Order: sequence, then C-alpha cells, then structure tokens
Amino acid sequence: KAGVTQTPRYLIKTRGQQVTLSCSPISGHRSVSWYQQTPGQGLQFLFEYFSETQRNKGNFPGRFSGRQFSNSRSEMNVSTLELGDSALYLCASSLARLWNTGELFFGEGSRLTVL
Amino acid sequence: KNEVEQSPQNLTAQEGEFITINCSYSVGISALHWLQQHPGGGIVSLFMLSSGKKKHGRLIATINIQEKHSSLHITASHPRDSAVYICAAFTGNQFYFGTGTSLTVIP
Repeated sequence: KAGVTQTPRYLIKTRGQQVTLSCSPISGHRSVSWYQQTPGQGLQFLFEYFSETQRNKGNFPGRFSGRQFSNSRSEMNVSTLELGDSALYLCASSLARLWNTGELFFGEGSRLTVL
Repeated sequence: KNEVEQSPQNLTAQEGEFITINCSYSVGISALHWLQQHPGGGIVSLFMLSSGKKKHGRLIATINIQEKHSSLHITASHPRDSAVYICAAFTGNQFYFGTGTSLTVIP
C-alpha cells in the first residue's frame, strides 16, 4: 500500500512569491493535516482537511491556506513568501478526523527555502 | 510558556539501557501522541493515548491525565532507536508539540 506522497520534495522561492505544495494521502484516508517544522519553532500545526472542508486551523496568518479535493488529495498554498517561511512542510493522513484517529501517517515533507 | 514541555532535551545511552522520556502539558487534551523522527525528516507515529498505558514491542507509553504527564519508555535500547522523539498534545481542534528529545544509543 502506497504511503503518503508529498511533492515537490525540495523547492527554492524568493520573497514575495507564492508556493503550492501537494499531498496525496494513503488510499482510503479522508483526513489530511499539515504541519510546519523549523529549527527555531519546531513542529507547528497548520490545518486539517476532511471531506473537502477545513476542520481545524492552527495559529498561522491568512497567507497560509489549503484545500482538499474529492479524491482526498490536498494542497497548501503560501502567498507573499517571507524568509521565515523557510521550513519543512509535512502532511499526514489518517482514516478519521484528528480527534478520532489512532495513528497519523506522515509524508517525507517538502523542504521550502525562501531567498 | 510552552503548552508542552519535554525532558530531557538530549539523551545518550548505552545499548541495552532502559530509557525514559517525559512530557508534561498544560492544555486540556483529547489525545496525546508520541512521534519518532529520524535524520532526514521522516516522522513515524508511535502511540496515541487518551488514558492508561500502551505497549508495542520494546516501547511503552503511559499517561496520567490528572497530572497532565506522559512518559515514553524504551526497554533494551538499540542504536536503531537513535532518533528525535516528539510529544504532541491534541486538544480536539489544535495540536501542540514538544520541542523533542534527541536520543543517541551507543553500541
């Protein structure tokens, strides 16, 4: 069974640009959640999508957004990139909503560098 | 103040030693997760706890809801256990993460 796939794995952008990251969950999983990991702040929760609707959201500005498609694949978008957005962006999939799930399956992450 | 505190930050052990990593949290939770992250970034979910104790192989996780404290134990540690272990408190709509415990097991 294929795992969680994130694309692209690495990307470099400049300040002011925008970026879109993709996450394909394990087949049958309906929840996709997104996380940002930086050396300074560690792991932080961005948002959760389930059945094409954002269900939960962390404390990030509106520049960070996402969506989920009918096949459960999810994308996250960061607009007007800042240097501080340089991070490893991870997604995780689960069978059920985050509050009702026993295990999260993480992708390998997309490493974003903002110059 | 961080909602989730882990200790120790760094831990070096000899192969075969019993290891304990502690996690204290200040928020009300619906579940507590333990994650393992190897160099290169890949994260594996080890346990999700809402009460009591769970065991998987050489790993044991416990939680005390009243004291808002959880522990991860590794029995008979092995060099392949070397990784960063992260505690994550889920409130029902938000995750709060500890800063991680970096474990090195020396052969």
